[in-house]
Amino acid sequence: EAAVTQSPRSKVAVTGGKVTLSCHQTNNHDYMYWYRQDTGHGLRLIHYSYVADSTEKGDIPDGYKASRPSQENFSLILELASLSQTAVYFCASSDGLGGREDTQYFGPGTRLLVL
Amino acid sequence: QQQVRQSPQSLTVWEGETAILNCSYEDSTFDYFPWYWQFPRESPALLIAIRPVSNKKEDGRFTIFFNKREKKLSLHITDSQPGDSATYFCAARAGGSNAKLTFGKGTKLSVKS
Repeated sequence: EAAVTQSPRSKVAVTGGKVTLSCHQTNNHDYMYWYRQDTGHGLRLIHYSYVADSTEKGDIPDGYKASRPSQENFSLILELASLSQTAVYFCASSDGLGGREDTQYFGPGTRLLVL
Repeated sequence: QQQVRQSPQSLTVWEGETAILNCSYEDSTFDYFPWYWQFPRESPALLIAIRPVSNKKEDGRFTIFFNKREKKLSLHITDSQPGDSATYFCAARAGGSNAKLTFGKGTKLSVKS
């Protein structure tokens, strides 16, 4: 059973519209992350969270908001979608304790196309 | 500012050869270096990782060599197989309580048979 799930798996949005990407994890992990992946740029961190009701800015937060209503759920919100936000978005979780379980477990990704 | 750099961008080797993927970093506080691999249309997954207390980490055909003084590491894949064809990402995590990773841009490996 997949431990990190994302919805939707793909979406077409219009410029200026609002987009919400959802992530759910059953790993009982404290840390959750949102990345975007573009060809030639690898994985870039947008927002992350280490506790419910709190989020932190990553390396490229502009144009994105995040929400962590519970330990299991983490959402990424594009209030005014733009063409430049067309990308694949990955959610991940980890326990963040710095021990053996530092592994980040990724969801299947969401392909977002903004027209 | 790119803190984790990878080279080459792409690499092609023949089946059975050793592939060498390079990574360098700038932040001396980085204390954990995982490598993730990603197959086409799939999500990244952890392959192997090393901490600076070691200069080598081996897992089957995959070996990380780490040079703390030069801030460099490399991933060696011996006896490369077509199934190893993927994009490999080097990542680094700063010490302290912040668990976020900084990823390199990746090396796309193709293994030809």
